[in-house]
Amino acid sequence: GNSVTQMEGPVTLSEEAFLTINCTYTATGYPSLFWYVQYPGEGLQLLLKATKADDKGSNKGFEATYRKETTSFHLEKGSVQVSDSAVYFCALRNSGGYQKVTFGTGTKLQVIP
Amino acid sequence: EAGVAQSPRYKIIEKRQSVAFWCNPISGHATLYWYQQILGQGPKLLIQFQNNGVVDDSQLPKDRFSAERLKGVDSTLKIQPAKLEDSAVYLCASSLMERGGTDTQYFGPGTRLTVL
Repeated sequence: GNSVTQMEGPVTLSEEAFLTINCTYTATGYPSLFWYVQYPGEGLQLLLKATKADDKGSNKGFEATYRKETTSFHLEKGSVQVSDSAVYFCALRNSGGYQKVTFGTGTKLQVIP
Repeated sequence: EAGVAQSPRYKIIEKRQSVAFWCNPISGHATLYWYQQILGQGPKLLIQFQNNGVVDDSQLPKDRFSAERLKGVDSTLKIQPAKLEDSAVYLCASSLMERGGTDTQYFGPGTRLTVL
């Protein structure tokens, strides 16, 4: 079955530091890949997505590239802000039919001033 | 555009009691999902509806959990009777289309259930 593995947190960074949150996946076929963010006390929000190999998703300064050869979708940001403190979830969904989304366990990011 | 609405936001019950959660998806969204998110884990799909039909309920503990979406719009999720391990956040999400697409799921704020 499908699975998503994320680096364990929490990740603590100083403001303006470079961020990488690793995500690797196992899936059959050609899944779509997602990063969701959950701010304290709020529901999940889609941060970015990529639907095919070598696609780069980007939003709010965050980027992730769909690497089929390494089955990875690492999240990066060049300069984090305190407001980026949240839990980040990597997820995948196979195309075709009614395919459910499989989430990773989440990585908590704390950015300190 | 209004988002996905859920109620209540918080619920505390004792084990063996019953509880129900309500979700109103974004208008026009045919697909509705219920997830269970246990503290420190990612969301786990419990049940997925396409209009008022069930598409996937393979991870729904059917001996105690039930869900319905009678008119293809809002939905209720019920637990009867609750166990301690049901303590979690229950998330509802909706999307415009599902089959063969990569459409976006929009999540509600969730209902935090505590079973004592």
